[in-house]
Amino acid sequence: KQEVTQIPAALSVPEGENLVLNCSFTDSAIYNLQWFRQDPGKGLTSLLLIQSSQREQTSGRLNASLDKSSGRSTLYIAASQPGDSATYLCAVMDSSYKLIFGSGTRLLVRP
Amino acid sequence: SAVISQKPSRDICQRGTSLTIQCQVDSQVTMMFWYRQQPGQSLTLIATANQGSEATYESGFVIDKFPISRPNLTFSTLTVSNMSPEDSSIYLCSVSGTGNEQFFGPGTRLTVL
Repeated sequence: KQEVTQIPAALSVPEGENLVLNCSFTDSAIYNLQWFRQDPGKGLTSLLLIQSSQREQTSGRLNASLDKSSGRSTLYIAASQPGDSATYLCAVMDSSYKLIFGSGTRLLVRP
Repeated sequence: SAVISQKPSRDICQRGTSLTIQCQVDSQVTMMFWYRQQPGQSLTLIATANQGSEATYESGFVIDKFPISRPNLTFSTLTVSNMSPEDSSIYLCSVSGTGNEQFFGPGTRLTVL
């Protein structure tokens, strides 16, 4: 059974810092991996999608990497801003096209 | 990317009643998904809804409790039946786009008293 773990559970950093969020999964037979952002009480916003054949994806200040063989992904946020404060969720899609989510990392960027 | 809307955005309901949540997509999609997010928790898949066939439910979720309709390729409903306070959650629908990227609606925040 696929399990997705995110570390740390919570993170507080001063504005301007570069930071890394970690995601690990137990079964490397994934279709893709997706990073989402969720603001309190809201839906999910897709940030980056990495197909199983890819190693990384970039969008603006965000960079996500995927090492399928070791079951790991990282989300790198450069020059963090207070507006980046949210919960970041990692999810893997298994071979039956179902998403399995991690428990998330709550990020607070202090002005 | 798909634009997804949900109604209602939030509701407060009494124990024992039922609530139907609507999900509307701006384009035709084959598969629609319903998720539950309990307070402080991550998302759990309830069921997959395909147009023209019965929804496929995940372990721990049953049709009598969460009946789903999928009348066409842009619309689906999820009913939460005979509600109890344990059903208080955010309910989200999602669809697959290009490369199986998942897009989510804004969610329905349900509180059961």
